[in-house]
Amino acid sequence: EVQLLESGGGLVQPGGSLRLSCAASGFTFSSYAISWVRQAPGKGLEWVSAISGSGGNTYYADSVQGRFTVSRDNSKNTLYLQMNSLRAEDTAVYYCAKEVTEGGTMYFDYWGQGTLVTVSS
Amino acid sequence: SYDVTQPLSVSVALGQTARITCGGNNIGSKKVHWYQLKPGQAPVLVIYRDINRPSGIPERFSGSNSGNTATLTISRAQVEDEADYHCQVWDGSAGWVFGGGTKLTVL
Repeated sequence: EVQLLESGGGLVQPGGSLRLSCAASGFTFSSYAISWVRQAPGKGLEWVSAISGSGGNTYYADSVQGRFTVSRDNSKNTLYLQMNSLRAEDTAVYYCAKEVTEGGTMYFDYWGQGTLVTVSS
Repeated sequence: SYDVTQPLSVSVALGQTARITCGGNNIGSKKVHWYQLKPGQAPVLVIYRDINRPSGIPERFSGSNSGNTATLTISRAQVEDEADYHCQVWDGSAGWVFGGGTKLTVL
């Protein structure tokens, strides 16, 4: 059974830092790209960042470029998101999600339960 | 950029059919995927590539996509179907594109 479990969320002051983790099981972790997707209160889903299965390629939304860093440790089946210079608008539930690429499209077949990040003074 | 639009809310009587739309310019030329979100739970993929149901998703969930509108149809709606539903497309230029989500209420 595929499982993704996020951790590391919490309350942080503006300008502060936080590191999220996503522990994966039930599939060959290193074979799949994984994304971080967030949902701010009352808003829709927003893609944040992605990393290839090997970790050699990373991608970021413009809204977090230069502030967030995605990484993975395939020996631990774990994904990370280092978030620096946090802003109030980064407040959201953060999900990790396993990507599927097929037939010229991409989607997420499994998601974690999410971890809440609140940026407030 | 590419944008998709969903209604904020849809209501359906228990046992009736609910239709949730996802509108976008020539969205019929893209593949649309649908996710179900419930508070405190992991989002669930309910339809992928317009019409396909993942294993474990009830047959009452179906999808279609043509022209400028994709539709998620929930037949014989149940109380447990009450959730937020989000459509998503992959666009070669815009990347990951999500709709704003639709709250489904089962009356």
